[in-house]
Order: sequence, then structure tokens, then C-alpha cells
Amino acid sequence: DAKTTQPPSMDCAEGRAANLPCNHSTISGNEYVYWYRQIHSQGPQYIIHGLKNNETNEMASLIITEDRKSSTLILPHATLRDTAVYYCIVRVGGSEKLVFGKGTKLTVNP
Amino acid sequence: EAGVVQSPRYKIIEKKQPVAFWCNPISGHNTLYWYRQNLGQGPELLIRYENEEAVDDSQLPKDRFSAERLKGVDSTLKIQPAELGDSAVYLCASSFDRGRRAREQFFGPGTRLTVL
Repeated sequence: DAKTTQPPSMDCAEGRAANLPCNHSTISGNEYVYWYRQIHSQGPQYIIHGLKNNETNEMASLIITEDRKSSTLILPHATLRDTAVYYCIVRVGGSEKLVFGKGTKLTVNP
Repeated sequence: EAGVVQSPRYKIIEKKQPVAFWCNPISGHNTLYWYRQNLGQGPELLIRYENEEAVDDSQLPKDRFSAERLKGVDSTLKIQPAELGDSAVYLCASSFDRGRRAREQFFGPGTRLTVL
């Protein structure tokens, strides 16, 4: 599985958009980009995934660059409850294996 | 819908003692995973089951760790004997996988193990 690079930490003001970047320059054509988050003392929670098109669901939007070498997770209106570690993972389609890095610790401030 | 259930939530033991963790996946989920998460790190896969078959146990330290998933539903992960370095959070996850399309994994709250 390709590796990802994320900033170790970010801050965001409550109510503002949180934009979390991820670099995956060695991603292969059949690898998806997945995002999970882990709130303190809880297990990871699935957020969203995509292959090459931008995706949006009730939690977030995922923007993948045209060359697929990087992506951005967008939380449009961050709340205090969005404070968590966010993991960007690349995963081969049809593969069950998730390889987590250290993620980005997002702190949403009041 | 009930999520993934794990017990106990916390366990403190002396080194060299045995310990077991239990996981009940989401109803209908055929794939079950055990992960270990060390402090400040992301989770690492220990073993993956498809129904009752362990299909990926390459990261499971087999000298002291064992797992089972009888009847393809709930699962138990055991450590015997425990070492200081086994202190971590043990996470269970499940997913419903059909064909080649793997779906998102749902995680339980984890068991925090402290070995003294």
C-alpha cells in the first residue's frame, strides 16, 4: 500500500472550515483514498473515501487532485466535537487492509 | 443498530499473566479485525477473519498471542503470557464485504490494557 504524509497537527476556529491535507505521491491507479478519524478514547470512525472524483457526504467533502498525488478533507463548519486525530489512508480496491499512519491531530478552538 | 461491542474496556494485569479480550461485531458483518494501537500511533492490524477463517495473521505474534472466531460471529483475542510491551489499546472492527468491493470498517471502543 502507498504511504501518506500528513501534518502532525492543525488548529481551526469553531464554525470555520477545516481543510486537512494529505500527500500520497506514490498512489497507484487502483488505490482509493480513505479518511477515518479517532476521537479521544474511541475507535476510529469512517468519514469518506474516493478514487479520483471529488466526494461529499453528510460529514465532509474530499477533494482529490487531478494527478491523484494529494487530497484534502474538508469539514465545512467545524465544531468542538470534530476535535480528533484524522487519518488519511490509501487502500487497494478490494483489499480489506487499512494501514494507518500517525494522522493529523485537529483541534477545534471556541 | 448496535455497534461493535468490546469487553472489558480496561484491564490491568501483572506481567506474565494471561489476558483475554472479547469482541462482538455488528450483526451480519462477515469480516472481523483485531488491531493494536500503541500510544501516539495509528492502529496496526493483528489479524483478520473472513467468517471463521483467519485470512491474514501475518502481524500476530504467534508465540504469545492467539485468536479465535468460533461460529464466525464473536471473537476472542488472548495473550499468554503478557509482557510490559503489550500495554496498548486493542481494537476490534468489523465490515460486510461482498465480492471484491471492500466496505468501510466499523470499530469498537477498544480495550485499554496495562501490563505492570
